[in-house]
Amino acid sequence: QQQVKQSPQSLIVQKGGIPIINCAYENTAFDYFPWYQQFPGKGPALLIAIRPDVSEKKEGRFTISFNKSAKQFSLHIMDSQPGDSATYFCAANSGGSNYKLTFGKGTLLTVNP
Amino acid sequence: DVKVTQSSRYLVKRTGEKVFLECVQDMDHENMFWYRQDPGLGLRLIYFSYDVKMKEKGDIPEGYSVSREKKERFSLILESASTNQTSMYLCASLPDGESYEQYFGPGTRLTVT
Repeated sequence: QQQVKQSPQSLIVQKGGIPIINCAYENTAFDYFPWYQQFPGKGPALLIAIRPDVSEKKEGRFTISFNKSAKQFSLHIMDSQPGDSATYFCAANSGGSNYKLTFGKGTLLTVNP
Repeated sequence: DVKVTQSSRYLVKRTGEKVFLECVQDMDHENMFWYRQDPGLGLRLIYFSYDVKMKEKGDIPEGYSVSREKKERFSLILESASTNQTSMYLCASLPDGESYEQYFGPGTRLTVT
């Protein structure tokens, strides 16, 4: 049973557009929601993360919106650039002493010049 | 900077061979993870280790085993490689504490023929 559902599977936008990637989770014990960015030939790297006590977190052009009641969170990329083209994974972990992450299936983002 | 290195970027093995994938981290992290990444399936946890000689099964441990004799090194073992184990294998490390940021290596692309 997939615990973190991510959509869309792929996304193409023009430079300057605002791609939005959505994730939904089922387990209410999750208390940490990171987004990882992966470029071809590289391992994933943490981009931004949020905890459920806030509804939004912004770091530069990247924003996470979090809706606890709907059990959904999303990544917005403002003023997207071709260099943002990558695969994005949302994830969730249940905190405490459990360091395991459950990942979504990933979204391949292409930003055209 | 945290550095996670994996012994090989590309590996080709034959069905039935015993395969060792090595991962080394240089930041004295307590926790280490092995994932496999397949198109459309995201990252799936195979095994993780929270201390030397300690290990726990992840979501897809069948056909794999692990070894952690030293804190900095975490090995993934395919006892008898099969073609359905052809995949990208990613290692990650994580320190104890409140940050859940996992640091990933560049991955090993394993092909089993």
